[in-house]
Amino acid sequence: AQSVTQLDSQVPVFEEAPVELRCNYSSSVSVYLFWYVQYPNQGLQLLLKYLSGSTLVKGINGFEAEFNKSQTSFHLRKPSVHISDTAEYFCAVRPFNAGNMLTFGGGTRLMVKP
Amino acid sequence: DTGVSQDPRHKITKRGQNVTFRCDPISEHNRLYWYRQTLGQGPEFLTYFQNEAQLEKSRLLSDRFSAERPKGSFSTLEIQRTEQGDSAMYLCASSLGGLSSYNEQFFGPGTRLTVL
Repeated sequence: AQSVTQLDSQVPVFEEAPVELRCNYSSSVSVYLFWYVQYPNQGLQLLLKYLSGSTLVKGINGFEAEFNKSQTSFHLRKPSVHISDTAEYFCAVRPFNAGNMLTFGGGTRLMVKP
Repeated sequence: DTGVSQDPRHKITKRGQNVTFRCDPISEHNRLYWYRQTLGQGPEFLTYFQNEAQLEKSRLLSDRFSAERPKGSFSTLEIQRTEQGDSAMYLCASSLGGLSSYNEQFFGPGTRLTVL
């Protein structure tokens, strides 16, 4: 079984400041890793994913994340946030060849202030 | 719009009533997933179809819940004898299926259920 922990339920930050949203996971098998964003009253949108290869992955809207296998982490970063980045962010994992379900963390609400 | 659609977007019902939600996946996607998201939590997997076959079911899917995908296209999720604890956002997602081990899941906007 897999589990995902997002250490911060809310992250307030000023516009144009950098931000890091933390994600740690637990799994007995190798997993794919994802970050999704959810704007109010909308479905989930994929920000970025780690499948294999380079541990630094870049996604949409200027976000990037780094996979750290030894620390079982996949933290999301953005060097300069915008008001429009205010949303809920979810980290998720899916095992390689063992089912198709995504296991999500509890989410982090990013609140960007002017 | 060629994305995943869900209907209705909002449903308010009284405890004990039955409700049914519909999901229309992206047309060429043969895999379809249902998730439930309660307030302040991440989505939790409920069930998954490949074409018309229901291949995985979560323990969260009690016997009051039933999902179908009769023709391998749209899917319905029915909840019988609703309880207040069923209040949640019900999300549908779809993906391609095939030899590739990874296929991105595309999510619909969800159906928000409120049980009074």
